[in-house]
Amino acid sequence: IAGITQAPTSQILAAGRRMTLRCTQDMRHNAMYWYRQDLGLGLRLIHYSNTAGTTGKGEVPDGYSVSRANTDDFPLTLASAVPSQTSVYFCASSKVSGSTDTQYFGPGTRLTVL
Amino acid sequence: GQNIDQPTEMTATEGAIVQINCTYQTSGFNGLFWYQQHAGEAPTFLSYNVLDGLEEKGRFSSFLSRSKGYSYLLLKELQMKDSASYLCAAMDSNYQLIWGAGTKLIIKP
Repeated sequence: IAGITQAPTSQILAAGRRMTLRCTQDMRHNAMYWYRQDLGLGLRLIHYSNTAGTTGKGEVPDGYSVSRANTDDFPLTLASAVPSQTSVYFCASSKVSGSTDTQYFGPGTRLTVL
Repeated sequence: GQNIDQPTEMTATEGAIVQINCTYQTSGFNGLFWYQQHAGEAPTFLSYNVLDGLEEKGRFSSFLSRSKGYSYLLLKELQMKDSASYLCAAMDSNYQLIWGAGTKLIIKP
């Protein structure tokens, strides 16, 4: 593994189903982030984690939850998917939180909720 | 409120120069980032400015004016592979990135 990986690459999901998007990084970065990207809008922060064991809410956290059991993994869970959660989801990481460190992005997960 | 404005789309010719502008309003300011994003791919880091002035990196340069809340990305000697979206993001006082919607750059031969 080099950098950040995300799985699955894409998914079609029925409304009401539970879904976990996976994100793993091998750069030993402390900070990790989940964004969604929708046409015509900038990337919007869903949740973030400054370090293993801590998480925080971003701009659009409703309907999503995260956990950070260790440094490498930062899964995003949709408890009961709705069509408005159709989007491209990007996981990102940076060395240190609360700093100007560059954020590096994973390849994204394209999610469609029907 | 916090806001980033950049043009939705621009067209330029291979070999030419193009300037992509970005204006920002944030609660506090800890710098301005530019990312490149090819269609269907992840954003990749291009530049970071926190002081006023021009930073040059090969064919790409980025400029910042903090007093005007303004930045631009300058791309020289355009190549077809530069066809992509260019994302402007300002970092606020909480070190969170506020993102523009991106500028889709179309390069014509």
